[in-house]
Amino acid sequence: KAGVTQTPRYLIKTRGQQVTLSCSPISGHRSVSWYQQTPGQGLQFLFEYFSETQRNKGNFPGRFSGRQFSNSRSEMNVSTLELGDSALYLCASSSGTGAVNEQFFGPGTRLTVL
Amino acid sequence: GDSVTQMEGPVTLSEEAFLTINCTYTATGYPSLFWYVQYPGEGLQLLLKATKADDKGSNKGFEATYRKETTSFHLEKGSVQVSDSAVYFCAQGAAGNNRKLIWGLGTSLAVNP
Repeated sequence: KAGVTQTPRYLIKTRGQQVTLSCSPISGHRSVSWYQQTPGQGLQFLFEYFSETQRNKGNFPGRFSGRQFSNSRSEMNVSTLELGDSALYLCASSSGTGAVNEQFFGPGTRLTVL
Repeated sequence: GDSVTQMEGPVTLSEEAFLTINCTYTATGYPSLFWYVQYPGEGLQLLLKATKADDKGSNKGFEATYRKETTSFHLEKGSVQVSDSAVYFCAQGAAGNNRKLIWGLGTSLAVNP
């Protein structure tokens, strides 16, 4: 079974631009969660999508948004980039149902904002 | 609010040494607890988990016991190998939601031959 894939793996943008990151979950998984990983703040939950609906949201500004398509693939978008948005963005997929869902992580997209 | 605190690294050990990485949590309920590992250049992988008090999670020689009385989930291994060098993250499922994880800051482990 193929794992979680994320594209692109690396991105360099400048302040004020916007960026779109993509995540393809494991086949059959309907839940996709996004996390931001930085050296100072560690891993922080951004949002979770399940069956094309945002089911949970973290404490990030509205510049961070996402969506999920009918094939469970998900995208996240960051508008008006700031230097502090430089981070590793991780996507995780799970079945989305049941009491304990193991999350499977992709390799991440490394975003650098200059 | 809910949080996870784990010991700061880096931790440096010799091969075959005993490993303990401390992890404590604060939560309003009884969350599931997880240890994830991130090997150099790779994504996060679930190492072990425990879903209720006194559960012991184990995998690849690593163990952790869910201690409700001390709100802890310490990771242990009796004899580490060079291949265990990685960053280890403790996490809890937020408010019973295991798809919204709250993370510790990670502990870097380096094992020398």
